[in-house]
Amino acid sequence: EAGVAQSPRYKIIEKRQSVAFWCNPISGHATLYWYQQILGQGPKLLIQFQNNGVVDDSQLPKDRFSAERLKGVDSTLKIQPAKLEDSAVYLCASSLRSGDRVTDTQYFGPGTRLTVL
Amino acid sequence: AQKITQTQPGMFVQEKEAVTLDCTYDTSDQSYGLFWYKQPSSGEMIFLIYQGSYDEQNATEGRYSLNFQKARKSANLVISASQLGDSAMYFCAMRHSGSARQLTFGSGTQLTVLP
Repeated sequence: EAGVAQSPRYKIIEKRQSVAFWCNPISGHATLYWYQQILGQGPKLLIQFQNNGVVDDSQLPKDRFSAERLKGVDSTLKIQPAKLEDSAVYLCASSLRSGDRVTDTQYFGPGTRLTVL
Repeated sequence: AQKITQTQPGMFVQEKEAVTLDCTYDTSDQSYGLFWYKQPSSGEMIFLIYQGSYDEQNATEGRYSLNFQKARKSANLVISASQLGDSAMYFCAMRHSGSARQLTFGSGTQLTVLP
């Protein structure tokens, strides 16, 4: 079974530029998550989708970050304009069920390492 | 507020020995799940083991076992017979019921296995 796919793996941009990340979840997984992981910290949830609807985006900086999951499969996370503090690894994860169950295991992709200069 | 604490920023273990990585949590929920993930230098988060708050038995998955002590709110990961490939960052995480469904992660423990 194929895992969660993400691209690109690495991205270097200058501040105020825009960038987009792509994620394809495990086939059949209803719930998709985007996390931000700053160096030396655990991942922090940015947004959670169930199918193509947003379940939780309370920690998404909406003035510069946006995400969509058209057709309930793959997803795109965009940053516009980027700031220096956005340098981090952006992880995508998916889970089989609604995400509302405590037993629902999340499976992660390899991440995209973003450097903002 | 829900919180995960990993007090060991770094740990060393000799190859083939066992090692315990500590994790304590704080929640007022009765129903919650505890997860351990491994993150090698490549960056991917690899799911290792899960323990439910109502599970009476400690979870085991191959060389990984979870020492779950509910009264003490601890969920330590035990790795038996350490291998060089176990060198990685290890994160403890908790998912709880209720309106906040997100997975809350600890700050991680960097494990180094010595030959």
